[in-house]
Amino acid sequence: DAKTTQPTSMDCAEGRAANLPCNHSTISGNEYVYWYRQIHSQGPQYIIHGLKNNETNEMASLIITEDRKSSTLILPHATLRDTAVYYCIVRVYGGSQGNLIFGKGTKLSVKP
Amino acid sequence: GAGVSQSPSNKVTEKGKDVELRCDPISGHTALYWYRQRLGQGLEFLIYFQGNSAPDKSGLPSDRFSAERTGESVSTLTIQRTQQEDSAVYLCASRHTYGDSGNTIYFGEGSWLTVV
Repeated sequence: DAKTTQPTSMDCAEGRAANLPCNHSTISGNEYVYWYRQIHSQGPQYIIHGLKNNETNEMASLIITEDRKSSTLILPHATLRDTAVYYCIVRVYGGSQGNLIFGKGTKLSVKP
Repeated sequence: GAGVSQSPSNKVTEKGKDVELRCDPISGHTALYWYRQRLGQGLEFLIYFQGNSAPDKSGLPSDRFSAERTGESVSTLTIQRTQQEDSAVYLCASRHTYGDSGNTIYFGEGSWLTVV
């Protein structure tokens, strides 16, 4: 079973920030938080990952709480093309770690 | 190309036939994964290859499903005696194992299988 819980769906107005929450209360000390998204009919796309510090890249920002039991993915200026299912996953960094366990994700709908 | 390549992109087959799906991982990626996604559903793990280690086959749904990978190259997923419930998109992913690049898993665009 997935180690994360996310809301089933969210709406966001185009141009506004989209804040997608994720709970991972059983996360282990060596597990990272990863975010992927899946646009309809495409393979999942990597967005960002982090351990305990907040992270930012060209796609998004990741805010992780101090106790690491939850995190928020922020898309600062959502566009219609950001409509997708967003998956929050926890896993050990690199090495010989096995598969990614995907939950049901959050279906984000960006509306004009 | 630089990404994970899968073929065929679409396959329609008759119930009872065997199908073979191919995955070309990113060059140098030692880890390779197969997932299945039925329409409107989440991703189901099928099998994981890591270098020369024995593959993790724990996600294969039945003995009709098998996969092979030679070294760190191409992988083939075979479904024998296909059933209608096998209709899904089959996604392949790969990643490098070590160093800073060892964290990101890259997915292909999938092979859409329809069993009629």
